[in-house]
Amino acid sequence: NAGVTQTPKFQVLKTGQSMTLQCAQDMNHNSMYWYRQDPGMGLRLIYYSASEGTTDKGEVPNGYNVSRLNKREFSLRLESAAPSQTSVYFCASSEEAWSGQPQHFGDGTRLSIL
Amino acid sequence: AQSVTQLDSHVSVSEGTPVLLRCNYSSSYSPSLFWYVQHPNKGLQLLLKYTSAATLVKGINGFEAEFKKSETSFHLTKPSAHMSDAAEYFCVVSSYGGSQGNLIFGKGTKLSVKP
Repeated sequence: NAGVTQTPKFQVLKTGQSMTLQCAQDMNHNSMYWYRQDPGMGLRLIYYSASEGTTDKGEVPNGYNVSRLNKREFSLRLESAAPSQTSVYFCASSEEAWSGQPQHFGDGTRLSIL
Repeated sequence: AQSVTQLDSHVSVSEGTPVLLRCNYSSSYSPSLFWYVQHPNKGLQLLLKYTSAATLVKGINGFEAEFKKSETSFHLTKPSAHMSDAAEYFCVVSSYGGSQGNLIFGKGTKLSVKP
């Protein structure tokens, strides 16, 4: 009964390095999301995938890319990390396609960029 | 344009007393509204949502919220606080003007519960 699983939980990068954040859900949900959470700002949508095979930009997509590898997995890639991307990243999913309303969240990836 | 304002950044109550977390919204459309809870070092959990059906919405863990269009409010309440309610709470409005179903999050209200 894992729900939404994110890896890694913590990561420290140097400016300019690249990395991929992994997310998988085992609930057969159609929609998946990537958010970032910064102090005092709530959550902001980076990218989402309304159904398998589709991805769309959210509010703050610059500097990120995503891949909906299959129905279970939705990864987020930072090609050239910048200090402004230091944040806590959350993956989420929802049963309905195109709903825009995440139901289940992972526990987050805490990313620091030096 | 849609926006949401949580009126208190921090609320402190004693265990067993009522909880009131206040939220005002602005929306050009008939909005969908949500409350999420986030416990420390955890992801968010959906507490309840309003989608133009009954104006009083019941959620999990004894929470409820009332949609008041005339006041553009969607306050979250609970009759009796429990220690496990200590967390951060986010009021959220769904925007259909831009990205499909994009959610706009308030800045959060941290709830402390004293024994």
